[in-house]
Amino acid sequence: QQQVKQSPQSLIVQKGGIPIINCAYENTAFDYFPWYQQFPGKGPALLIAIRPDVSEKKEGRFTISFNKSAKQFSLHIMDSQPGDSATYFCAASSGNSGYALNFGKGTSLLVTP
Amino acid sequence: EAGVAQSPRYKIIEKRQSVAFWCNPISGHATLYWYQQILGQGPKLLIQFQNNGVVDDSQLPKDRFSAERLKGVDSTLKIQPAKLEDSAVYLCASTRTRGSVNEQFFGPGTRLTVL
Repeated sequence: QQQVKQSPQSLIVQKGGIPIINCAYENTAFDYFPWYQQFPGKGPALLIAIRPDVSEKKEGRFTISFNKSAKQFSLHIMDSQPGDSATYFCAASSGNSGYALNFGKGTSLLVTP
Repeated sequence: EAGVAQSPRYKIIEKRQSVAFWCNPISGHATLYWYQQILGQGPKLLIQFQNNGVVDDSQLPKDRFSAERLKGVDSTLKIQPAKLEDSAVYLCASTRTRGSVNEQFFGPGTRLTVL
């Protein structure tokens, strides 16, 4: 049973475009929402994370928007670059369960030159 | 600081054989996780350790999978006997919490192919 639903499955944008990846969750006990980036042959790496007490967080070119009432959150990548081509996973976790991550199925992003 | 180390990186076995994976977390990280990542999907938690105690193993198929974390540092994950559907990448992660950020550091994974 997928606790975090992620869309789209794949995304192609041109350099400089703003890809947007969306996630939704059901469990209201979740209190930590990270995004991970994974390159082929590598483990996932933390990109940015948010807690439900804020509606937006920016770090460099990456922004998370969070809608607590809708139980949705999204990742925006500003001025995307070919080097951003990777698979992106949203996740959700709860301090009550030791912050074990519940991942979405992932979005494969391709940024063309 | 050194990252999470895993070995082997690749393993090919036949069904019904046994296999073991090893993980060395980042020094000082008390919490260690094993995840299973099937091709095209997100990682799924198998087991979580806090020091050398199990916090959550509810999703570990205990009839064939086992894991231990001796002395609260290194960990091994074993599959015996393996099934075709166990073909996946097995990821180890360890974590620290800084302020409001709970960052899990992942190793490169072990890619298992069961024939």
